Amino acid sequence: AQSVTQLDSHVSVSEGTPVLLRCNYSSSYSPSLFWYVQHPNKGLQLLLKYTSAATLVKGINGFEAEFKKSETSFHLTKPSAHMSDAAEYFCVVRDGGATNKLIFGTGTLLAVQP
Amino acid sequence: DTGVSQDPRHKITKRGQNVTFRCDPISEHNRLYWYRQTLGQGPEFLTYFQNEAQLEKSRLLSDRFSAERPKGSFSTLEIQRTEQGDSAMYLCASSLVGVGNQPQHFGDGTRLSIL
Repeated sequence: AQSVTQLDSHVSVSEGTPVLLRCNYSSSYSPSLFWYVQHPNKGLQLLLKYTSAATLVKGINGFEAEFKKSETSFHLTKPSAHMSDAAEYFCVVRDGGATNKLIFGTGTLLAVQP
Repeated sequence: DTGVSQDPRHKITKRGQNVTFRCDPISEHNRLYWYRQTLGQGPEFLTYFQNEAQLEKSRLLSDRFSAERPKGSFSTLEIQRTEQGDSAMYLCASSLVGVGNQPQHFGDGTRLSIL
């Protein structure tokens, strides 16, 4: 079975400093991985996706993630945090087979201090 | 692209009542998914449709839950005899399967509160 583990439930950074949100995955084959962001009382917005093309994936709003097979990791980074980045972030793996359902991690709540 | 639309955004009801939610997917998308998100957790898969056919249901979807997508466009999710444990955010997502590797696009969800 496929799964993702988000290693931090809360991360706090200062505005202008780098962001690192950690995610490890478990998959019996080459996975499709995503990062979604959720602002309060809103749905999920896709930040970026990895589908076995390039291992370094660039997303919206300056975010990027690197797929590392040897470490089974897919960490999300951003060089400089902005106040508007404060939200919950979910690492997601797509289930194989016909369903294509998404399997979510438990989320990381990012706080950005002024 | 008008995005995925869900209605209502919020629903408060008494235990034992029936509720129905609606999801309008992105118009050309053939797949429609329902997820449930409880407080402090990531969303969990409930069910999905390929056009009008419901192809899989999670074990989370008890007999009190039913979903339809009658014409392969909008979908409804009904919960009968609501219980306290049904309180959650219900999220709908749609995607286009068969043309590349398309991601799922989510609506803003319906937040259900059971009194």
